[in-house]
Amino acid sequence: GQNIDQPTEMTATEGAIVQINCTYQTSGFNGLFWYQQHAGEAPTFLSYNVLDGLEEKGRFSSFLSRSKGYSYLLLKELQMKDSASYLCAVLDSNYQLIWGAGTKLIIKP
Amino acid sequence: DVKVTQSSRYLVKRTGEKVFLECVQDMDHENMFWYRQDPGLGLRLIYFSYDVKMKEKGDIPEGYSVSREKKERFSLILESASTNQTSMYLCASSRDGRETDTQYFGPGTRLTVL
Repeated sequence: GQNIDQPTEMTATEGAIVQINCTYQTSGFNGLFWYQQHAGEAPTFLSYNVLDGLEEKGRFSSFLSRSKGYSYLLLKELQMKDSASYLCAVLDSNYQLIWGAGTKLIIKP
Repeated sequence: DVKVTQSSRYLVKRTGEKVFLECVQDMDHENMFWYRQDPGLGLRLIYFSYDVKMKEKGDIPEGYSVSREKKERFSLILESASTNQTSMYLCASSRDGRETDTQYFGPGTRLTVL
């Protein structure tokens, strides 16, 4: 079956760095997405990786290793507004998005 | 800015009622999707549509139907609501036939079935 694994919850301190991991087993691979979802709101797009390596976008970076079925989202200089759930999703060989359950990130002052 | 709107943020219905959830996008996107989101589970695809009057079943279509009469509008219908359909329903749209394009989400409808 198809599976996306990410930690249920993580806690970090304001100003620090946090890495949210995502591992996947899917039938084929056509890219991996990260979305941010604040409580009670819609998911919003953060990043898309289809090639191995690190993509940096301001305070957020996303890494992909296709051979390991692994990605991470790196958040630097954490701010209170970064408290949210972070969703990992993989596009499989049928171009269907398979979603992880999300990682709830709690930022403490 | 892409805007995806949903008809209601919160909805309370009784078991057996027919429920309509409407979604409208204003960016001329070809693709539209309906998901449900439950605690501890990932987003689960109910139905999607690549074109007007076209629909495809997702992972959990049972108990639901959809309608896409106009490009900008995608409706989700619960013919006879049941308590296990209590959930957050999210609509999304994306630009073209390649699903590698980013999906943009509406604000969600939290449906409670009593």
